[in-house]
Amino acid sequence: GAVVSQHPSWVICKSGTSVKIECRSLDFQATTMFWYRQFPKQSLMLMATSNEGSKATYEQGVEKDKFLINHASLTLSTLTVTSAHPEDSSFYICSASRGGPKQPQHFGDGTRLSIL
Amino acid sequence: GESVGLHLPTLSVQEGDNSIINCAYSNSASDYFIWYKQESGKGPQFIIDIRSNMDKRQGQRVTVLLNKTVKHLSLQIAATQPGDSAVYFCAERSPTGNQFYFGTGTSLTVIP
Repeated sequence: GAVVSQHPSWVICKSGTSVKIECRSLDFQATTMFWYRQFPKQSLMLMATSNEGSKATYEQGVEKDKFLINHASLTLSTLTVTSAHPEDSSFYICSASRGGPKQPQHFGDGTRLSIL
Repeated sequence: GESVGLHLPTLSVQEGDNSIINCAYSNSASDYFIWYKQESGKGPQFIIDIRSNMDKRQGQRVTVLLNKTVKHLSLQIAATQPGDSAVYFCAERSPTGNQFYFGTGTSLTVIP
């Protein structure tokens, strides 16, 4: 149980394009989802916390207008990278939690975004 | 508790030896910690966790030690196997919510 799926797993697109990444909890209801960014050979950096039905909370230094997060249902959160540029190329990983401080996070397998 | 944008330190061990991976965390108020294993191109996998009211916790072949005085965690892997080759991260939970902040990570290579 507690499977989290990300789609797509890899996307390549031209500079200036907006890209949407989906994160789904397949067998549980995820009240809270988290989005991380990971550069090659570096750690995961938390970008934002998303609670179903409310606005996402962004970490300091993360541009809200650049990285649009929507969590409209208990099983789906989306991250849209708007007007992507080569410096946005990264590995984006989501995790999902049933919510509450004692609930574990379950991670997706990430989306590799390459902007040409 | 924010990760540092440094390149991963590496650790190489012989198959069968024990591995010790270290991690420093930043927030003395963090109350819960997790060690994750990440294989190439995949998301992190939970290995073991520990709460701040404990100093040590053992799992199958893995042990986590917590030293709150110096804000240090270690992961010990017994009889390391080639399948253990991966990047290992510690993560600390924010005391004010359910956010986790990841440490720098260590790349473990097991030599057969």
